[in-house]
Amino acid sequence: DTEVTQTPKHLVMGMTNKKSLKCEQHMGHRAMYWYKQKAKKPPELMFVYSYEKLSINESVPSRFSPECPNSSLLNLHLHALQPEDSALYLCASSQGGTGLNEKLFFGSGTQLSVL
Amino acid sequence: AQSVTQLDSQVPVFEEAPVELRCNYSSSVSVYLFWYVQYPNQGLQLLLKYLSGSTLVKGINGFEAEFNKSQTSFHLRKPSVHISDTAEYFCAVTPRGYNKLIFGAGTRLAVHP
Repeated sequence: DTEVTQTPKHLVMGMTNKKSLKCEQHMGHRAMYWYKQKAKKPPELMFVYSYEKLSINESVPSRFSPECPNSSLLNLHLHALQPEDSALYLCASSQGGTGLNEKLFFGSGTQLSVL
Repeated sequence: AQSVTQLDSQVPVFEEAPVELRCNYSSSVSVYLFWYVQYPNQGLQLLLKYLSGSTLVKGINGFEAEFNKSQTSFHLRKPSVHISDTAEYFCAVTPRGYNKLIFGAGTRLAVHP
């Protein structure tokens, strides 16, 4: 299994809602990532988990809350989002360790619309 | 700090023609270099990477790239493109020792029959 699976594929939510994005991989990877991608823009790193611990937080607003319950799962909890948060949210994984010298495996993303 | 510049936002080309997508980077430390491709409504896939050694690297789908340290460039090439190569191509760098991939703005390759 060389896939990163993201659910849901599409999500529409209001500004007062609470929702969660889920990401799963069974490749034994120990580093997992959340990226945000606006239309026609490159992905922007949000968070990196290494060995289930948060190692990078790119100054992301607190309305985005990541969680890594175990080495295969990565969640992104959403609360009180703004319309400008509408984007494609990509999860990725890599083998892990210090330094990113191997490929990232990306999921297909969750297309989020905030109304 | 590191940055990546992709000089062309769009590259139109006819099928079976050669193509070059340009990428330049800036960094005060050594970096690893990558090219990723994104097809519509999908995540990104790695085409190729340069870590060290030979400056010409070959990737999937017939793509190759050449690392030029003096020009801080990592241009992507394919001798003959297909319609199916139509996609967004991202050049990316990561500083050695860090788990942080920094993407360029992307180049939209449009292959026409």
